[in-house]
Amino acid sequence: NAGVTQTPKFQVLKTGQSMTLQCAQDMNHNSMYWYRQDPGMGLRLIYYSASEGTTDKGEVPNGYNVSRLNKREFSLRLESAAPSQTSVYFCASSEPGLYTDTQYFGPGTRLTVL
Amino acid sequence: AQKVTQAQTEISVVEKEDVTLDCVYETRDTTYYLFWYKQPPSGELVFLIRRNSFDEQNEISGRYSWNFQKSTSSFNFTITASQVVDSAVYFCALSEADYGGSQGNLIFGKGTKLSVKP
Repeated sequence: NAGVTQTPKFQVLKTGQSMTLQCAQDMNHNSMYWYRQDPGMGLRLIYYSASEGTTDKGEVPNGYNVSRLNKREFSLRLESAAPSQTSVYFCASSEPGLYTDTQYFGPGTRLTVL
Repeated sequence: AQKVTQAQTEISVVEKEDVTLDCVYETRDTTYYLFWYKQPPSGELVFLIRRNSFDEQNEISGRYSWNFQKSTSSFNFTITASQVVDSAVYFCALSEADYGGSQGNLIFGKGTKLSVKP
């Protein structure tokens, strides 16, 4: 039981390049999330998927797209990377419910855009 | 609007001291969830506790305890007899609920960096 996995762990891009961050969970959770963490800012929600087939914007969606490929996988795409997207990206998953809705996080992807 | 404030940016203590991390939240909802996460130097986010708004009981888990007070909108975290391994950034977070489901928005505070020196 690996929980939430993310690939890659580290990535360096040049301005204008594109890339996709991958996330997968094996906890059979319905909801998945993408956050970014910047120094002194805490974590901010980029996009989330409440269930398979649905996605919604979070607090900072500009410059990103997401795909909920199936129940297990939720990817984040940067179409044209910018230096402002240098950050640590975390994927999380949860199972909505009155007593169960806790988000569990992956190990993160450290992205640098030059 | 939802907001989580962790006024303490950094705290430094000596091992075996007790330390309390403050968290104050704002929300319009009557049903919500509060969380604490730990982020050690290795970078991962570790879930510590979840508290529902309708359950104001304080909780103790080993050296960790949490004090939830709706009257002051606070959810403080105390580490008793701190250890070097407690050194980490600690995040408080808030999620509003929608009758049994999450709206998907976990609002984080900016974190408190705790350094425990031997």
